[in-house]
Amino acid sequence: QVQLVQSGSELKKPGASVKVSCKASGYTFTSYAMNWVRQAPGQGLEWMGWINTNTGNPTYAQGFTGRFVFSLDTSVSTAYLQISSLKAEDTAVYYCARELGAYDYWGQGTLVTVSS
Amino acid sequence: SYELTQPPSVSVSPGQTARITCSGDALPKKYAYWYQQKSGQAPVLVIYEDSKRPSGIPERFSGSSSGTMATLTISGAQVEDEADYYCYSTDSSGNHRGVFGGGTKLTVL
Repeated sequence: QVQLVQSGSELKKPGASVKVSCKASGYTFTSYAMNWVRQAPGQGLEWMGWINTNTGNPTYAQGFTGRFVFSLDTSVSTAYLQISSLKAEDTAVYYCARELGAYDYWGQGTLVTVSS
Repeated sequence: SYELTQPPSVSVSPGQTARITCSGDALPKKYAYWYQQKSGQAPVLVIYEDSKRPSGIPERFSGSSSGTMATLTISGAQVEDEADYYCYSTDSSGNHRGVFGGGTKLTVL
């Protein structure tokens, strides 16, 4: 069965970096794009962008350029989201979601908390 | 930047029909998708490509789109349908840039 399993919660200090992983199983990893979605506490879903799992080419939404990097390791069917120079406003749940038009499977979410 | 607009809240009694709208300038050319999110859980796809229902989603969920508005309809809403609902689509830039609506809190009581 299709599964996207994300890494566990993270507590980071401002200025640090974090790398969230999203391991896919149950399907051919390169057959679907991978998207990333942010949800700040009590807020709605925010599309961060996507990565082409065939070419590794990322596309970032406005507001997610510079400190946010999408990457892949296709040998282990895993997508990554790295955030550098963390700020308090980066505190959120981050979801990966596979896409073929629709986001039909989602990871369970990873809570990243940025606090001194 | 492109935006999708949803009402913040909709409230119905059990058994009534709930309609949640989503407006966006590119919707005449782009599909709308709808996601249900219950408290503390990941979103779940309930409607794709304007009106198609994934397997496992109850028949009471339906979708439609006309002009710049897409609509999610829950016919005979149940208490368990209480959740946040988000529409999603892409802009017309051709660069496959997605956007979510602000979300609608559906209350069934």
